[in-house]
Amino acid sequence: EVQLVESGGGLVQPGRSLKLSCVASGFTFSNYGMNWIRQAPGKGLEWVAYISSGSSYIYYAETVKGRFTISRDNAKNTLYLQMTSLRSEDTALYYCARHGLLQWSYFDYWGQGVMVTVSS
Amino acid sequence: DIVMTQTPSSQAVSAGEKVTMSCKSSQSLLYSENKKNYLAWYQQKPGQSPKLLISWASTRESGVPDRFIGSGSGTDFTLTISSVQAEDLAVYYCEQYYDTPYTFGAGTKLELK
Repeated sequence: EVQLVESGGGLVQPGRSLKLSCVASGFTFSNYGMNWIRQAPGKGLEWVAYISSGSSYIYYAETVKGRFTISRDNAKNTLYLQMTSLRSEDTALYYCARHGLLQWSYFDYWGQGVMVTVSS
Repeated sequence: DIVMTQTPSSQAVSAGEKVTMSCKSSQSLLYSENKKNYLAWYQQKPGQSPKLLISWASTRESGVPDRFIGSGSGTDFTLTISSVQAEDLAVYYCEQYYDTPYTFGAGTKLELK
């Protein structure tokens, strides 16, 4: 059974940093691209970042480019999102989601999400 | 960026009704080389993470009831629920994966009449 478990969220002041983790199990992590997708309270879904299986390809939404860094450790089956210079508009539930096997693909499994609140 | 527009934003339904919801993209999601539409539908129930229902505009995921039907091509897509059940009350999102940034529609919320 595919499982994605996020952690590392919490309350953080504007301008500070936070690092999210997502531990994967139930599939060969190193074969799949991965994504971070967020959902502000009561709002819709916003894709944040993608990383290919071997970390060769990385893409970001413009809203986070230059502030967030996606990375992965295939030996630890773990995906990361390093978030810096956080803003109130980054407040959201952050999901990690598995990418389908093709480079351009949908999100076939999602974690339960981890909440990030940016407030003074 | 490809803009995804979903209508209606909400819809009140009764159990057993047929429901259709629309998703339009600002550019074609049909890739000419493989004739595939890069469009997915997700279901998000209250307090849960989104669940993939349909990929490639019309391919139902394993385990998804056959009352969920995806159709359309190019820029116009539809999700039909042939006979709504109580457990289908949720928000439905379309998403394009034709190009980055991957983008979602704002969602259609199905509510009980």
